[in-house]
Amino acid sequence: GAGVSQTPSNKVTEKGKYVELRCDPISGHTALYWYRQSLGQGPEFLIYFQGTGAADDSGLPNDRFFAVRPEGSVSTLKIQRTERGDSAVYLCASSLVAGAPQYFGPGTRLLVL
Amino acid sequence: GESVGLHLPTLSVQEGDNSIINCAYSNSASDYFIWYKQESGKGPQFIIDIRSNMDKRQGQRVTVLLNKTVKHLSLQIAATQPGDSAVYFCAESNDYKLSFGAGTTVTVRA
Repeated sequence: GAGVSQTPSNKVTEKGKYVELRCDPISGHTALYWYRQSLGQGPEFLIYFQGTGAADDSGLPNDRFFAVRPEGSVSTLKIQRTERGDSAVYLCASSLVAGAPQYFGPGTRLLVL
Repeated sequence: GESVGLHLPTLSVQEGDNSIINCAYSNSASDYFIWYKQESGKGPQFIIDIRSNMDKRQGQRVTVLLNKTVKHLSLQIAATQPGDSAVYFCAESNDYKLSFGAGTTVTVRA
C-alpha cells in the first residue's frame, strides 16, 4: 500500500519567509510524528499527534514552529520568520497507534537562504 | 537525558560477508528499540524492532540482539549485498517518542 508522503520534496526560501510542509500519513494510522534531521545526524523529535490533537509538542524549538492535523489525517508543519538555522530535512512518520512501529516519509529538504 | 549512540561511525564490509552494527543506549527505562536504514536522499526505512521482553528477533537476513544488562543493541545482516550500503540508525523509546543515535555508515565492497 501507499506509504507516508510529504510535499514538497524540496523547498528553498529566504530568511524571514513563512513555509508550510505537508505530510500524508499511511491510511488508518492514528499517530503522526514530525522529526527534524540535520546533516550527519539522526532525526530529532519535534511533535506527536494522536488523532487531531498535538499530544506532545515538546520538541518544537520555539514558537515560530507550529503544526496542525485538523481532520486526524494530513498534517501541516508551519514555520514562521524562517532562519538559516532552520535548514534541515523535515521528516514525517506515522504509526497505527502510539508505540507501534513508525514509518517515515521521504522528507522535505528545507533550505533557508 | 537519554541518548542512543553507535560504537562506530563507519563500517566497510566485503560483499557476501556478515555485517554487525552495534549500538549503546543509556536510558534503562527504554523498552522498545528499532533499527532503520537510510539511503542518501531518502527517509529512514524500518528494518526490524524488538521489545525489552525479548533478547533476539530475526527477520529476513537480519537479526537484532538486545542485551539489557549492558544496554547494548546490535543488528546483524547476513550475506551483505551492495544494496545494503546505507546509514543505519538505532532508535529507542519508552513511550511514543524515538531517540536516535548519529548512525553508522555501511559501505559494501564488491
